[in-house]
Amino acid sequence: LAKTTQPISMDSYEGQEVNITCSHNNIATNDYITWYQQFPSQGPRFIIQGYKTKVTNEVASLFIPADRKSSTLSLPRVSLSDTAVYYCLVAYNNNDMRFGAGTRLTVKP
Amino acid sequence: GEEVAQTPKHLVRGEGQKAKLYCAPIKGHSYVFWYQQVLKNEFKFLISFQNENVFDETGMPKERFSAKCLPNSPCSLEIQATKLEDSAVYFCASSQSQGYFNEQFFGPGTRLTVL
Repeated sequence: LAKTTQPISMDSYEGQEVNITCSHNNIATNDYITWYQQFPSQGPRFIIQGYKTKVTNEVASLFIPADRKSSTLSLPRVSLSDTAVYYCLVAYNNNDMRFGAGTRLTVKP
Repeated sequence: GEEVAQTPKHLVRGEGQKAKLYCAPIKGHSYVFWYQQVLKNEFKFLISFQNENVFDETGMPKERFSAKCLPNSPCSLEIQATKLEDSAVYFCASSQSQGYFNEQFFGPGTRLTVL
């Protein structure tokens, strides 16, 4: 059974780099990995998407090792406003959408 | 519009009553998705549409849930005979035509409370 697994929570301090790992053991060759951020009482917001190796945009990087069984969202120099829940989403075999349970990131001053 | 709109924001129903939720996707987006978020965090995929056609309905509890996306109308998700366990936030999302797994733009959600 396809499953997307991530840590329940993480703490960090302002200015630090935060790495959140998602496990997706049953990922297939053509499946993409997408990360979303959710603030309370809001819908999730897209952060980054990748398929292999490394993807970087203005807010984050996504690292995907060769076996693709996991991926790591990297947030450089977090601020208090990055406190949110971060979700990993994998669409297994291009039709089975599975979110992870979310990682609650708390950034402290 | 440039944002996904969902109405109502809150909906309260007694057990056994019908609930109907609406979603207006971003103009020009071909795909619409419905998700159920329970227990604060957990998302469950319900159904997706490509324009007015059902694309994937593997997550839908079909005995009580139905959904439509008709031309020139908001999409809708209807729950017949609601149960206590249907209490959740229901999110609608839309994405552009380039691909089913492109970035999804989520609405603010509808919080359904079944008493």
